[in-house]
Amino acid sequence: EAGVVQSPRYKIIEKKQPVAFWCNPISGHNTLYWYRQNLGQGPELLIRYENEEAVDDSQLPKDRFSAERLKGVDSTLKIQPAELGDSAVYLCASSPGNEQFFGPGTRLTVL
Amino acid sequence: SQELEQSPQSLIVQEGKNLTINCTSSKTLYGLYWYKQKYGEGLIFLMMLQKGGEEKSHEKITAKLDEKKQQSSLHITASQPSHAGTYLCGADSSGNTPLVFGKGTRLSVIA
Repeated sequence: EAGVVQSPRYKIIEKKQPVAFWCNPISGHNTLYWYRQNLGQGPELLIRYENEEAVDDSQLPKDRFSAERLKGVDSTLKIQPAELGDSAVYLCASSPGNEQFFGPGTRLTVL
Repeated sequence: SQELEQSPQSLIVQEGKNLTINCTSSKTLYGLYWYKQKYGEGLIFLMMLQKGGEEKSHEKITAKLDEKKQQSSLHITASQPSHAGTYLCGADSSGNTPLVFGKGTRLSVIA
């Protein structure tokens, strides 16, 4: 069974540029999460989806971040414009219930 | 909001030695999850504990949940180089999938 797929694995951009991350969850997993992990910290939830509905986006900085999961399968997280402080690893996870399965993450560096 | 404090922050042990990592919650624990993360990779699920006094083991790793103390411990017996990595605990105060993580404990195992 394929795991959670994320792309790209690495991204380097200049500040004020836009960037997008893509996540394809494990087939059949209705719940999808986006987390941000800063160096030396645990992951912090950005948004959680149940199918195509965002059920928890309270920690998503909505002035510059947006996310979508149009058909309740794969998802895209966008930052526009990126700031230096956005440099982090962005992790996607999916879940059929309690256990979460994580993708390898996208490491974003903003210069 | 719920916070999880892990101790120690980092640990260096000699191969073959036992070790314990602790995770303390600021709120009641309805479920406590342990993950392992290697540098540059996503989180790998280890164990989930839901009931006070519950104890689970997988190979040489044992986790316990002390509900009254709002604390969980992860114990590794006879550590091996393959155990090296960062161990993270995660929890959610409402009893659903983990949304809050500790900062992690970085474990190094030396020969």
